[in-house]
Amino acid sequence: QQQVKQSPQSLIVQKGGIPIINCAYENTAFDYFPWYQQFPGKGPALLIAIRPDVSEKKEGRFTISFNKSAKQFSLHIMDSQPGDSATYFCAANFGNEKLTFGTGTRLTIIP
Amino acid sequence: EPEVTQTPSHQVTQMGQEVILRCVPISNHLYFYWYRQILGQKVEFLVSFYNNEISEKSEIFDDQFSVERPDGSNFTLKIRSTKLEDSAMYFCASRRDSHYGYTFGSGTRLTVV
Repeated sequence: QQQVKQSPQSLIVQKGGIPIINCAYENTAFDYFPWYQQFPGKGPALLIAIRPDVSEKKEGRFTISFNKSAKQFSLHIMDSQPGDSATYFCAANFGNEKLTFGTGTRLTIIP
Repeated sequence: EPEVTQTPSHQVTQMGQEVILRCVPISNHLYFYWYRQILGQKVEFLVSFYNNEISEKSEIFDDQFSVERPDGSNFTLKIRSTKLEDSAMYFCASRRDSHYGYTFGSGTRLTVV
């Protein structure tokens, strides 16, 4: 019940396209849903996060869509750039409990 | 922007040796965590620490592991007798409280030979 399932495992998109990464969770107690961006050899960096009281959150070119009834959330990257090439992890938790991470999506943006 | 600092960035050790991984969390944060990531795999929770004690630990965090906050600023992870399968990136993270996000350090790459 603690799992967060993430797809796809890898994604290749042309520059300017809109990659979409999806996550699904089972634990309805989760109340915090962040996305992390990780470059090789670096730690995960918080990109954007959402709480279940809203269905969408936008920060710059990054948007989270949240569907509470389906227990799913997704990351959209508008006008993607080669510099966005990285591994993206969704995660979830409640309160001050541990973050549970998805399995990661390796995104490649080709010029 | 405040950072979580981890040292060393890379540690190579022989199997059976003890290692200590060090972290300096952000100064006004109250919750501290260790995670690890085996190459190419997902980030896995090890342990959380609050108010000078462990608040949660995973199955991975067995008797070979321990954490300490010896001086109010450093937060350490000790592996008593390393095994080959302990080779991974180890990330420290801290958080002010549940209203704020986690900040991760850049990690320590541990290689056990």
